[in-house]
Amino acid sequence: DAGITQSPRYKITETGRQVTLMCHQTWSHSYMFWYRQDLGHGLRLIYYSAAADITDKGEVPDGYVVSRSKTENFPLTLESATRSQTSVYFCASLVRLAGVSNEQFFGPGTRLTVL
Amino acid sequence: GENVEQHPSTLSVQEGDSAVIKCTYSDSASNYFPWYKQELGKRPQLIIDIRSNVGEKKDQRIAVTLNKTAKHFSLHITETQPEDSAVYFCAASTPNFGNEKLTFGTGTRLTIIP
Repeated sequence: DAGITQSPRYKITETGRQVTLMCHQTWSHSYMFWYRQDLGHGLRLIYYSAAADITDKGEVPDGYVVSRSKTENFPLTLESATRSQTSVYFCASLVRLAGVSNEQFFGPGTRLTVL
Repeated sequence: GENVEQHPSTLSVQEGDSAVIKCTYSDSASNYFPWYKQELGKRPQLIIDIRSNVGEKKDQRIAVTLNKTAKHFSLHITETQPEDSAVYFCAASTPNFGNEKLTFGTGTRLTIIP
């Protein structure tokens, strides 16, 4: 969906470098999430945000930093990239349909390789 | 925290047959259970979900069943078609976070054999 985008789509970096993955959504959804997807582990939550300036850790937050100064943007920064952070990263936002469902809409993903 | 286990990790079925994927969860407070489908190279997308106040939900060829006592839920796909080939993820969440935060299973790669 054009409503949630990620950039870059592919990134190769070196160990120790700082990398920022961008996520932008046009729906003004309150909740946003960052996941990493690895074979054998499924989707694991890194950080999430309930609103601008409100963020919280997920299952695997170590080595990552997030910020959310505007509702529509939720960047994820790897402060000093490690090879173990090679993964596919998905951003998602949540629309809550009262009493029906809480559907998370995922971005197209960013494939990050750390050499 | 919540732990979700998913089985099998891979599943191959003949076109037209049924497929069943099972998940168990650990937190008895979990009350929302969605299923996401991820086609090769694409993003995950919600295909069906169920809340703990119902035992079964159907949408055309797919259905989800929930057994709260045993803490497991299953995805059933009938009359499988080639376009059903994908990775399927189950997930669970608790009302502690308004059901926003999901814990996912490790995924099942479903292959439909023509």
